[in-house]
Amino acid sequence: GENVEQHPSTLSVQEGDSAVIKCTYSDSASNYFPWYKQELGKRPQLIIDIRSNVGEKKDQRIAVTLNKTAKHFSLHITETQPEDSAVYFCAASIGEYGNKLVFGAGTILRVKS
Amino acid sequence: EAQVTQNPRYLITVTGKKLTVTCSQNMNHEYMSWYRQDPGLGLRQIYYSMNVEVTDKGDVPEGYKVSRKEKRNFPLILESPSPNQTSLYFCASSSWDSSEQYFGPGTRLTVT
Repeated sequence: GENVEQHPSTLSVQEGDSAVIKCTYSDSASNYFPWYKQELGKRPQLIIDIRSNVGEKKDQRIAVTLNKTAKHFSLHITETQPEDSAVYFCAASIGEYGNKLVFGAGTILRVKS
Repeated sequence: EAQVTQNPRYLITVTGKKLTVTCSQNMNHEYMSWYRQDPGLGLRQIYYSMNVEVTDKGDVPEGYKVSRKEKRNFPLILESPSPNQTSLYFCASSSWDSSEQYFGPGTRLTVT
């Protein structure tokens, strides 16, 4: 079955610096790759996603890149702010309809001011 | 307001005492899923449902049951809870034309 590995498990950056989180997946049939942000005590919320027919997608300070050949995708956060501090999860879809997601173990991002 | 709700939000129980965690969504979503979240392990899928009366096991289904008698509800049942089921549980839903999953607020379960 699908396996999603996420690195690093923790990441500390200085406010204003960039942060990059990387994920690899094993199932070449996966075609949907979302990223979720979970603040302390809250539910995971989708921040950005990408489909396999696209190599990069941006939304303000957040971008996701996908390399289908190498089976990895990454989250890039520029100009980090203290409110970016949270746990970030990547996921990859499996199954015929793409609704079933397999999640990575998560990355704790700390932005120091 | 479009939302996924779960009840209860917090529950402390004892080993062997049957319990049900309810999940309801008002977005007419076909797909619903239960996850458990444990430190260092991310979100692991317990069971999912593609539509009414259609359910299937996820990655960690042992010790859990589900049902999907109505489109909006997807309860999680622990027939005989054990301490290793102490965890944070999330319900989520999505529609066929969008893979984005909407999560409920979570249920923190402690089994002593």
